[in-house]
Amino acid sequence: EDKVVQSPLSLVVHEGDTVTLNCSYEVTNFRSLLWYKQEKKAPTFLFMLTSSGIEKKSGRLSSILDKKELFSILNITATQTGDSAIYLCALRYNFNKFYFGSGTKLNVKP
Amino acid sequence: KAGVTQTPRYLIKTRGQQVTLSCSPISGHRSVSWYQQTPGQGLQFLFEYFSETQRNKGNFPGRFSGRQFSNSRSEMNVSTLELGDSALYLCASSSGAQGYNEQFFGPGTRLTVL
Repeated sequence: EDKVVQSPLSLVVHEGDTVTLNCSYEVTNFRSLLWYKQEKKAPTFLFMLTSSGIEKKSGRLSSILDKKELFSILNITATQTGDSAIYLCALRYNFNKFYFGSGTKLNVKP
Repeated sequence: KAGVTQTPRYLIKTRGQQVTLSCSPISGHRSVSWYQQTPGQGLQFLFEYFSETQRNKGNFPGRFSGRQFSNSRSEMNVSTLELGDSALYLCASSSGAQGYNEQFFGPGTRLTVL
């Protein structure tokens, strides 16, 4: 089965810290890699990455995909307590077939 | 625009029973996907329906089935429930058109099997 591995599984930081979340995978025949934030129940979309080496940014969050080394990272700078959530990465295949990693649980302490 | 709604929000069943969960997508969306989320396995893709047809399928046993109606509402059915079926079941809707279109997730149904 296709594998998407996220690390670390959980992380505790203090406000203002910078964090890097990792997502590695073992397959190459996917269309895009997506990042989601799950605070309570419903995951919400953060980024979609299709091309290798092109950074996507949204405020304090940024993400990049490395198709050669088969991984993606999600960076969060100047973390805030509101960033506490589970961060999920997923590979998208045809149409809406997705494979998700288990997620990284981020806890930002004041 | 109303978001994705799922009913019921919470459900308690016993082993061997069956259950039906419902998902109403965002108006105009024709694709509905279902996921199972457990602490150990993360978020796993069950299946996707588009225009009343199953378009994609994950690796779940035949006890898990679904359908979609002409108004794009979707139901998921699990028969002969097992303890391991206890999970949060999420559905997501999107326009379903060719290429990527953003998925919007519902709040989920928390199923507990005793």
